[in-house]
Amino acid sequence: EPEVTQTPSHQVTQMGQEVILRCVPISNHLYFYWYRQILGQKVEFLVSFYNNEISEKSEIFDDQFSVERPDGSNFTLKIRSTKLEDSAMYFCASTWGTSDTQYFGPGTRLTVL
Amino acid sequence: AQRVTQPEKLLSVFKGAPVELKCNYSYSGSPELFWYVQYSRQRLQLLLRHISRESIKGFTADLNKGETSFHLKKPFAQEEDSAMYYCALSGRLGGYNKLIFGAGTRLAVHP
Repeated sequence: EPEVTQTPSHQVTQMGQEVILRCVPISNHLYFYWYRQILGQKVEFLVSFYNNEISEKSEIFDDQFSVERPDGSNFTLKIRSTKLEDSAMYFCASTWGTSDTQYFGPGTRLTVL
Repeated sequence: AQRVTQPEKLLSVFKGAPVELKCNYSYSGSPELFWYVQYSRQRLQLLLRHISRESIKGFTADLNKGETSFHLKKPFAQEEDSAMYYCALSGRLGGYNKLIFGAGTRLAVHP
């Protein structure tokens, strides 16, 4: 069964550094999402992406964040200048249509020191 | 405001006991409700959604619009049900169905 994959599984970075989290959605899916989960807190929506543009973003998704689908398979989340409070688990999800189930990747644990 | 509330952080039961994981929601409109499960060291995966009205692994959930609830139930818990359970809603705002999650309930089933 096809799965969403994410790399790396764990990323450690210094405050102020740029990080890129990578996701490979399921191949025929058209809608892509990023969520994050700070330790001990709920999973929160960050951004949705369709047809090569952001379709919706939350208030968390400020100018430090950007998303891109650089080729036909990858979907990336970039944090330009990381802050301590960006430490969290970041989940990518994809779906074929908006009425369909979202399939989640295993997550990337980001630790900002 | 859109919100999902799961009042219990931890639910601890013995094998064979009935289980009910509570979920209440706040949404003006007709949301779609889901239960996602996360087993230890695994990804979030869909357990069931209200429009399917099916039973998965013995779990069922009924949407009660009057009480704005979507509680997850299983008559006889098994040890392998031990996991983190998240209730979520999809608001279909603008046609793009972001998921709004509750805080999750950890179910621990003891032998």
